[in-house]
Amino acid sequence: EAGVTQFPSHSVIEKGQTVTLRCDPISGHDNLYWYRRVMGKEIKFLLHFVKESKQDESGMPNNRFLAERTGGTYSTLKVQPAELEDSGVYFCASSQGRIGEKLFFGSGTQLSVL
Amino acid sequence: AQSVTQPDIHITVSEGASLELRCNYSYGATPYLFWYVQSPGQGLQLLLKYFSGDTLVQGIKGFEAEFKRSQSSFNLRKPSVHWSDAAEYFCAVGAAAAGNKLTFGGGTRVLVKP
Repeated sequence: EAGVTQFPSHSVIEKGQTVTLRCDPISGHDNLYWYRRVMGKEIKFLLHFVKESKQDESGMPNNRFLAERTGGTYSTLKVQPAELEDSGVYFCASSQGRIGEKLFFGSGTQLSVL
Repeated sequence: AQSVTQPDIHITVSEGASLELRCNYSYGATPYLFWYVQSPGQGLQLLLKYFSGDTLVQGIKGFEAEFKRSQSSFNLRKPSVHWSDAAEYFCAVGAAAAGNKLTFGGGTRVLVKP
């Protein structure tokens, strides 16, 4: 089966620009998560979708970040305007159920804001 | 608030030698505990998980971990390391009510010497 796919794998933008990251979860997985790892620190939770609804967005850093999951399939994470501290690796993960179900991660998008 | 500490940032081990990665957590109730591995260019892959029951958990790739409540630890072990085990390893904790909203440790990078 196809895994979790993230696009692009790398993105280099200038401060103030906009970037949109995309995640295609495994087909049939209702739960979709975004995580972020900044500068070799801990991987931190950003938000959780159940189908198209935001279940928990407590980890979103500020209102420059907007996540959507229209139709309950793929998800996008837009950063507008990007700041230097937004640089890091953004991971998407999906699971069929909630806790206890295996969480499948994508390989991440490396975002560099210059 | 829950937290996870992986005291060792880097570990170098000879191929064929044993490996132990340390993980300490802080959580008010019985946690759900996980170990993930990230190989270069790949997403995070679940090695094993502990929810309840037997405190010695077997995982994939010959790894095992032991939950010790008295020490708030969940250390990962492998008796004989292979060169392909060179990767970054993450310990994570979750809660039943939080679904797959995980709190990760900072990771331990394992280098394998021939």
